[in-house]
Amino acid sequence: EPEVTQTPSHQVTQMGQEVILRCVPISNHLYFYWYRQILGQKVEFLVSFYNNEISEKSEIFDDQFSVERPDGSNFTLKIRSTKLEDSAMYFCASSLDRGRSQPQHFGDGTRLSIL
Amino acid sequence: DAKTTQPTSMDCAEGRAANLPCNHSTISGNEYVYWYRQIHSQGPQYIIHGLKNNETNEMASLIITEDRKSSTLILPHATLRDTAVYYCIASGSARQLTFGSGTQLTVLP
Repeated sequence: EPEVTQTPSHQVTQMGQEVILRCVPISNHLYFYWYRQILGQKVEFLVSFYNNEISEKSEIFDDQFSVERPDGSNFTLKIRSTKLEDSAMYFCASSLDRGRSQPQHFGDGTRLSIL
Repeated sequence: DAKTTQPTSMDCAEGRAANLPCNHSTISGNEYVYWYRQIHSQGPQYIIHGLKNNETNEMASLIITEDRKSSTLILPHATLRDTAVYYCIASGSARQLTFGSGTQLTVLP
């Protein structure tokens, strides 16, 4: 069964450094998402992306964050200058389309630790 | 998205059916009910979704009441590997999923 893959599984970065999290969505999917989950807290939506544009973003997704689909297969989340509070699990998801009948499928996440 | 209410935790004996309830009394007519689960810190795993009719797939069944104000996820023969946090989400769009705290299901041997 096709799946969303994320790399790396664990990323350790010094505060203030830039970090790029990578995702390979399911191949025929058109909509892409990032969520995060701080340890012990709920899964929170960050951003959705379609046709090379951001469709929707939450308040968390400020100017420090950016997303990109650099080629036909990868989808990345960049955090420009990391803060301690960016430490979390980051999940990528994709869906076939935006319709209500198409569920999102999630990867297993990247654990980001900011020191 | 409509607010959903789920019990904080439930136990189920291995091999028995697990019935997980969810209330979504403010759900609107065009919102689907999605169920996901999360095992440890893995990514949320899609289970099933429905609009009005009951649904069944290889993982579970979803029973939605006629007034659509509540639903039940049924795992017909729970195994230890079904121990997870189960999330019920009512969403009018698959663009953004709003996760609550979910139900911690513990399957007991």
